[in-house]
Amino acid sequence: ETGVTQTPRHLVMGMTNKKSLKCEQHLGHNAMYWYKQSAKKPLELMFVYSLEERVENNSVPSRFSPECPNSSHLFLHLHTLQPEDSALYLCASSRRDTADNEQFFGPGTRLTVL
Amino acid sequence: AQSVSQHNHHVILSEAASLELGCNYSYGGTVNLFWYVQYPGQHLQLLLKYFSGDPLVKGIKGFEAEFIKSKFSFNLRKPSVQWSDTAEYFCAVLGGSQGNLIFGKGTKLSVKP
Repeated sequence: ETGVTQTPRHLVMGMTNKKSLKCEQHLGHNAMYWYKQSAKKPLELMFVYSLEERVENNSVPSRFSPECPNSSHLFLHLHTLQPEDSALYLCASSRRDTADNEQFFGPGTRLTVL
Repeated sequence: AQSVSQHNHHVILSEAASLELGCNYSYGGTVNLFWYVQYPGQHLQLLLKYFSGDPLVKGIKGFEAEFIKSKFSFNLRKPSVQWSDTAEYFCAVLGGSQGNLIFGKGTKLSVKP
């Protein structure tokens, strides 16, 4: 148990569906991240939230929409996804004011888009 | 922009063999370096990290890594692997403008019993 939980662990959705991924951290961290892990590609950062700000990666399509209501919870809202969006979505958290900013990862949500 | 290269896509070893996985990052200056492991069906776990001090870093489960600044390298080593080390190994550098990790593509290690 890393202190970062993600639900659901598996999700199958059609291209017209709307769904949300949830991440929760119990570590007292002040930053949370969404990463995408696709087959044969490096893990890619999607979004970062710190206490005060949301930082976007401009290459993320608008069909992915993050939400961070407080420092412990992070959501990724999904809408009209494409089959190529099928991947493992990983949430991570860290304390950005520490020397090394070590990130702790959740188990991921395996998403399949039909 | 910072990038990370892992040269081996898939490594197959017998138990008790020695392991070295290569990792290079793209530019110098102050770097924070990490090795993560992902066992089958499990989440990413930190093996070890370097951010200052002794360039030879010891991690969990008998793993170590050496930071060589002149070579922009942070290779992972283990003197004698076990079947339970079968996993995918990711090298990462803290280098994104948003304080994020930049990962290599990963190296899959298969250890034959």
